Amino acid sequence: GAVVSQHPSWVICKSGTSVKIECRSLDFQATTMFWYRQFPKQSLMLMATSNEGSKATYEQGVEKDKFLINHASLTLSTLTVTSAHPEDSSFYICSANPDRSGSYNEQFFGPGTRLTVL
Amino acid sequence: GESVGLHLPTLSVQEGDNSIINCAYSNSASDYFIWYKQESGKGPQFIIDIRSNMDKRQGQRVTVLLNKTVKHLSLQIAATQPGDSAVYFCAEIRTGGFKTIFGAGTRLFVKA
Repeated sequence: GAVVSQHPSWVICKSGTSVKIECRSLDFQATTMFWYRQFPKQSLMLMATSNEGSKATYEQGVEKDKFLINHASLTLSTLTVTSAHPEDSSFYICSANPDRSGSYNEQFFGPGTRLTVL
Repeated sequence: GESVGLHLPTLSVQEGDNSIINCAYSNSASDYFIWYKQESGKGPQFIIDIRSNMDKRQGQRVTVLLNKTVKHLSLQIAATQPGDSAVYFCAEIRTGGFKTIFGAGTRLFVKA
């Protein structure tokens, strides 16, 4: 159990277009999900905390109008990269914290989405 | 700013040897520290964690040591195997929430 999926696993788009990435908790509910970005040979950088039923909380330096987050249900959060540019090319990873657990460490990561902007 | 970082970016070990991966952190208020393993093109995989009021915790073939005096965290892997080759990240959970802050990462190469 406790599987998190992401869709698509990879995407190539033209500069200026928008791309939506989905993060789903397959067998548990998650009020809180997180979005990370990882550039090659670098660590995961937390972008935002996605909260079901409320606005996402963005980390300092992350443009909320550029990276739109919608946590529409207890099993789905989406990240939309608007007007993507080549510098947005990265590996985007989500994680979810099961509602059933009071423990922080039950945070499960998705497999990631590779975005390439031409 | 505050960060969680690593001393060594790469580590190469012989199969069967023990591996030690180190991490330095700066936020003394963190509640938990976690080690993750990430294989190429995949998301992080939880390995082991330790609460801030502990100094050692053991799992299967892995041990995490926490030295709060010098703000140092280490991951020891016993009898390292080729399947252990990956990038290892330390991470911290800061007080007040589930937000996880990742360190820089160490790539572990296991030579057969």
